[in-house]
Amino acid sequence: EAQVTQNPRYLITVTGKKLTVTCSQNMNHEYMSWYRQDPGLGLRQIYYSMNVEVTDKGDVPEGYKVSRKEKRNFPLILESPSPNQTSLYFCASSWSSSYNEQFFGPGTRLTVL
Amino acid sequence: AQKVTQAQTEISVVEKEDVTLDCVYETRDTTYYLFWYKQPPSGELVFLIRRNSFDEQNEISGRYSWNFQKSTSSFNFTITASQVVDSAVYFCALTPGDYKLSFGAGTTVTVRA
Repeated sequence: EAQVTQNPRYLITVTGKKLTVTCSQNMNHEYMSWYRQDPGLGLRQIYYSMNVEVTDKGDVPEGYKVSRKEKRNFPLILESPSPNQTSLYFCASSWSSSYNEQFFGPGTRLTVL
Repeated sequence: AQKVTQAQTEISVVEKEDVTLDCVYETRDTTYYLFWYKQPPSGELVFLIRRNSFDEQNEISGRYSWNFQKSTSSFNFTITASQVVDSAVYFCALTPGDYKLSFGAGTTVTVRA
């Protein structure tokens, strides 16, 4: 089944404790992206990747890191999480770019205390 | 920079009523792509439609229809004869194809039986 998976689905952590949210797709998509969803703000793009080893900042990259060592994986790293990073996070992938239909993962609910 | 505005935060209708969701966008690019995504209460994001800036034809898919008007920078979405299963958050999104994707804040539609 074609899909985007994210882990964990739910995470409660404390300020400053490094964490990684994994994202994997099995559709051989070149483009992958991370978004955060907050009430009243919709989805905001954090980082995106056009292909392996090529990443760039979205609209809200502060406090996040990403890497794209393999085509299928695009982990989101929070080196020192803070309470304002409490949010619902979505990973997405598409065939080649932002103008293609995005396939979204199920979301990761992160709470930083 | 591009911007998407969904001025309607919440809409509540009774089943079988029609509902129109407004989407107004801003961009300096002549080539761009517009999308609508649906987020039902279960939380996943589902692609509904993509339209490029050179195609102003309206589109109908079952009970869903979309009206794209470049003159007013709008890409509105109408659900005809709404059903309870249409209850969801609907997001409009825009990209000039430069790998960045901007979403509106979303409109929550509640369809009452």
